[in-house]
Amino acid sequence: GQQVMQIPQYQHVQEGEDFTTYCNSSTTLSNIQWYKQRPGGHPVFLIQLVKSGEVKKQKRLTFQFGEAKKNSSLHITATQTTDVGTYFCAGGNSGTYKYIFGTGTRLKVLA
Amino acid sequence: DAGVTQSPTHLIKTRGQQVTLRCSPKSGHDTVSWYQQALGQGPQFIFQYYEEEERQRGNFPDRFSGHQYPNYSSELNVNALLLGDSALYLCASSGGTALNEKLFFGSGTQLSVL
Repeated sequence: GQQVMQIPQYQHVQEGEDFTTYCNSSTTLSNIQWYKQRPGGHPVFLIQLVKSGEVKKQKRLTFQFGEAKKNSSLHITATQTTDVGTYFCAGGNSGTYKYIFGTGTRLKVLA
Repeated sequence: DAGVTQSPTHLIKTRGQQVTLRCSPKSGHDTVSWYQQALGQGPQFIFQYYEEEERQRGNFPDRFSGHQYPNYSSELNVNALLLGDSALYLCASSGGTALNEKLFFGSGTQLSVL
């Protein structure tokens, strides 16, 4: 079945350093969504990418969708302690209603 | 505007028992999806309900069943509980079944099976 993997699994950074998580799907996706889950919390929607090669920015966060629509990345510039949490990508496929969530990258920011 | 609400927040059951989890979607939403999130893992799709019918099902056994009511609220039922069913169960609502709808998650029900 379709798999969505994320690397790294864990990342510890000093506050102010940059952070990147990578998402790779075993199949071509129709779209990809990114979610953030704070410790003890629930996933919260961040953004959706639909077009091949699409790049979107939200303040310090930059999201990319690969040309082949099989991979994506999330880059955070100058991390802050409020960025702590687990970041999940979720891949969508046309003809289905479900999202396949990635394995997640857990980010810790050291002050 | 209330978000997605789930009840109960925590639940402890023993093997073989049955459990019912409840979800009220965000106001204006008519589609409810259920996910299982084991510790340290990403959410796994169980099924989606729309217009009181199961629209799609993930790779979960028939012990997992659901229901959606005319007011769009939903229930997840799990029979013959196994230790491996221990997880956070998340309900997500959306404004429709289109794939580009973003999901709004509830706070989840933490189920422990002893």
